[in-house]
Amino acid sequence: KQEVTQIPAALSVPEGENLVLNCSFTDSAIYNLQWFRQDPGKGLTSLLLIQSSQREQTSGRLNASLDKSSGRSTLYIAASQPGDSATYLCAVRFGSARQLTFGSGTQLTVLP
Amino acid sequence: NAGVMQNPRHLVRRRGQEARLRCSPMKGHSHVYWYRQLPEEGLKFMVYLQKENIIDESGMPKERFSAEFPKEGPSILRIQQVVRGDSAAYFCASSPSGNRGNNEKLFFGSGTQLSVL
Repeated sequence: KQEVTQIPAALSVPEGENLVLNCSFTDSAIYNLQWFRQDPGKGLTSLLLIQSSQREQTSGRLNASLDKSSGRSTLYIAASQPGDSATYLCAVRFGSARQLTFGSGTQLTVLP
Repeated sequence: NAGVMQNPRHLVRRRGQEARLRCSPMKGHSHVYWYRQLPEEGLKFMVYLQKENIIDESGMPKERFSAEFPKEGPSILRIQQVVRGDSAAYFCASSPSGNRGNNEKLFFGSGTQLSVL
């Protein structure tokens, strides 16, 4: 069964700290992996998309890595800010599937 | 370019009533996906549609749920005879085409929160 797991479920850090969110998936035959941000009561905002042939993607203070062989991805957030507080979701597009399989998310709180 | 539009934002129904959730994809997008997010759970895929066609409905419950994406107008997710367990946030996403482009992201709407009393 193709599954996506995110650990930890919740994380609280002081402002300014660098942090890493983890995502693991059970099948290395992925097409791409996408990180999303979800704010309470709102939809999902796409942060980064990593193709299966790529090792990492960067956007501003965010850097996402992909290691297919170990079935892992990380989202690195540099110099965290209170505005980064949200739930971060990892989603994988496996093989020939069109849909995404989501992890349960990591709820991040950045304390001022 | 407006994003994915879902309405209503909040929908309250009594048990046994019907719920109709609407989704207008981004301009130029012809592929629509519906996901459901139950309380304290992640998003689960329900159905994938192109204009006038259901491509993959492997995540849809076998009974009471249906979806359509007509040639004209929004995509509709319909839930008949709702039960309390249907209470959830329902999200719609769209993508440009059926090409399996590596840069093809999904764009999500803000969701419809369905509450069944």
